[in-house]
Amino acid sequence: SQKIEQNSEALNIQEGKTATLTCNYTNYSPAYLQWYRQDPGRGPVFLLLIRENEKEKRKERLKVTFDTTLKQSLFHITASQPADSATYLCALPEGSYIPTFGRGTSLIVHP
Amino acid sequence: KAGVTQTPRYLIKTRGQQVTLSCSPISGHRSVSWYQQTPGQGLQFLFEYFSETQRNKGNFPGRFSGRQFSNSRSEMNVSTLELGDSALYLCASSLRGAPEDGYTFGSGTRLTVV
Repeated sequence: SQKIEQNSEALNIQEGKTATLTCNYTNYSPAYLQWYRQDPGRGPVFLLLIRENEKEKRKERLKVTFDTTLKQSLFHITASQPADSATYLCALPEGSYIPTFGRGTSLIVHP
Repeated sequence: KAGVTQTPRYLIKTRGQQVTLSCSPISGHRSVSWYQQTPGQGLQFLFEYFSETQRNKGNFPGRFSGRQFSNSRSEMNVSTLELGDSALYLCASSLRGAPEDGYTFGSGTRLTVV
């Protein structure tokens, strides 16, 4: 089965810098990959989907890349703000279209 | 538009009891999925319902069951509760379940089994 790896250590950065989070997977390359944001005590919020034939996707201050050779997706938040502090989860389909989630990486943006 | 509503928000049950959790999806969404989230295992898929039919199922024991009604509202039932069932149970709705739709999650039901 697919194994999804996200850095379990929190990422601490200063406000205004670019945050980069990593999602690695171990087996077959999925047809797409999703990124979600989760705040404490709340459910995840869908942010972006990138397909295997898309190298990069942008939405406002967010940028996602998808490298099927490296089996990796990078999630960037430019001009980060304290309000961006949250846990970010990547998800990819296993078997059918049902997303399987990574454990997430906590991002802390310091003012 | 109203989001995904899960009730109750918090629940404390005793081992051996059973529990029913409720989820009202976004109006018009026909796919409802359930996930269990724990610190040790992360988010784990339980099952997905679409138009009152279970369309996909995760690797959970038969004590975990669900159903969906004609108005797309869904319930999840856990029988013979165990301490390890303590978790945040999340419901997610989607228009069709297609990946580009994304999932909209509710705030979850925090279940504590004592």
